[in-house]
Amino acid sequence: DVVMTQSPLSLPVTLGQPASISCRSSQSLVSSDGNTYLNWFQQRPGQSPRRLIYKVSNRDSGVPDRFSGSGSGTDFTLKISRVEAEDVGVYYCMQGAHWPLTFGPGTKVDIK
Amino acid sequence: EVQLVESGGGLAQPGGSLRLSCAASGFSFSGYSMNWVRQAPGKGLEWISHISVSSNTIYYADSVKGRFIISRDDAKNSLRLQMDSLRDEDTAVYYCVNGFSTVGAGNWGQGTLVTVSS
Repeated sequence: DVVMTQSPLSLPVTLGQPASISCRSSQSLVSSDGNTYLNWFQQRPGQSPRRLIYKVSNRDSGVPDRFSGSGSGTDFTLKISRVEAEDVGVYYCMQGAHWPLTFGPGTKVDIK
Repeated sequence: EVQLVESGGGLAQPGGSLRLSCAASGFSFSGYSMNWVRQAPGKGLEWISHISVSSNTIYYADSVKGRFIISRDDAKNSLRLQMDSLRDEDTAVYYCVNGFSTVGAGNWGQGTLVTVSS
């Protein structure tokens, strides 16, 4: 199985400051169709997860442009340019290139 | 507006069965693969099953293989998960998700809680 690791697992941030979460996979997430299947999800306290980014860098409709995704192969990053209070929650990366699909352990973002 | 509404959760005894349903609306259900993902209390997300468009391809996580069966009814815009031989470790909130990696996918329901306990 593809193992997804995230760092840090806990990220205290100051409002208005940038934040960055790293996600690494144990295998390349480049599929035979040429796409890279790495997605990011946000789960706010008490809520269902919500997709933010799909295929590395495609931001979902309604997701603020302060969120961005980048990376390639096995190394990926989610960046928040300026953290707002509503960004508090747990962020998960997920690979969709290999079965079984696997999620990272999650990174808990809270406000200092 | 995309809506996914799970139902069927509840309390089951070890070795027992439950059947979860997911009612979909607001998108072309038959055109999307569907998945079940679960989250044990206080834990992370675990993908457990996938069914492709037209039910051509089905996958399961090893943790549920041979015990759970995923199915879909495109005429009713409905996804189901038959859960047999339940174990304590199946206790979780179960979510349905309309695919992960395409435009218009990545939508989650509110989840349904399954508790397995004697």
